[in-house]
Amino acid sequence: EGQLVESGGGLVQPGRSLRLSCTASGYSFGDYVLSWVRQTPGKGLEWIGFVRSRAYDATPEYAASVKGRFTISRDDSKSSAYLQMDNVKTEDTAVYYCCSNAAAGSQFDFWGQGTLVTVSS
Amino acid sequence: DIVLTQFPDFQSVTPKGKVAITCHASQSIGSSLHWYQHKPGQSPKLLIKYASQSISGVPSRFRGSGSGTDFTLTINSLEAEDSATYYCHQSRSLPWTFGQGTRVEIK
Repeated sequence: EGQLVESGGGLVQPGRSLRLSCTASGYSFGDYVLSWVRQTPGKGLEWIGFVRSRAYDATPEYAASVKGRFTISRDDSKSSAYLQMDNVKTEDTAVYYCCSNAAAGSQFDFWGQGTLVTVSS
Repeated sequence: DIVLTQFPDFQSVTPKGKVAITCHASQSIGSSLHWYQHKPGQSPKLLIKYASQSISGVPSRFRGSGSGTDFTLTINSLEAEDSATYYCHQSRSLPWTFGQGTRVEIK
């Protein structure tokens, strides 16, 4: 089974930017959708977006809560995906997971271990 | 947006007992409903895909059923390691959404 490892989390001030990375191994990364899901403190899971495979032009989709502030991209040559978080808000504080989907419209087959982002002044 | 409502929010069960968690969708999603197990400090784990399809490596005591708007995850013969929060997730239409979660405690 494949493996995903997130990095880049940490403390960031409101209004600033942060970039998370997700590095894949053990599967054909370029053939799969890559999603980001977050879990806010004491709450459940929230899908925030995904990027399609290159076969579908690597186009992204976003949840309304992050659209216009977050950007998801991928670099298949590095088996990596990225979550660029701009103009962060305190409500963006969460553990961020990257996940692999066989296709857009399918299940999250496996997940990274998560990285904590804390937005605070 | 499609709202997924799980019931119950919490259930305490004795070992070897059985639990049924329901997930109701605010509109029909066919069979595009998946179940995950999430333990504290770990990443979520896929248990069931497309309402009832089993996942390699997941114990057979985890079973999924349903279609349309009503779905059930049944866990038979519960073991201590099944203590976790369980989530349903729909991939029928964007934005993908999750249920609020059901915490299962093994007494």
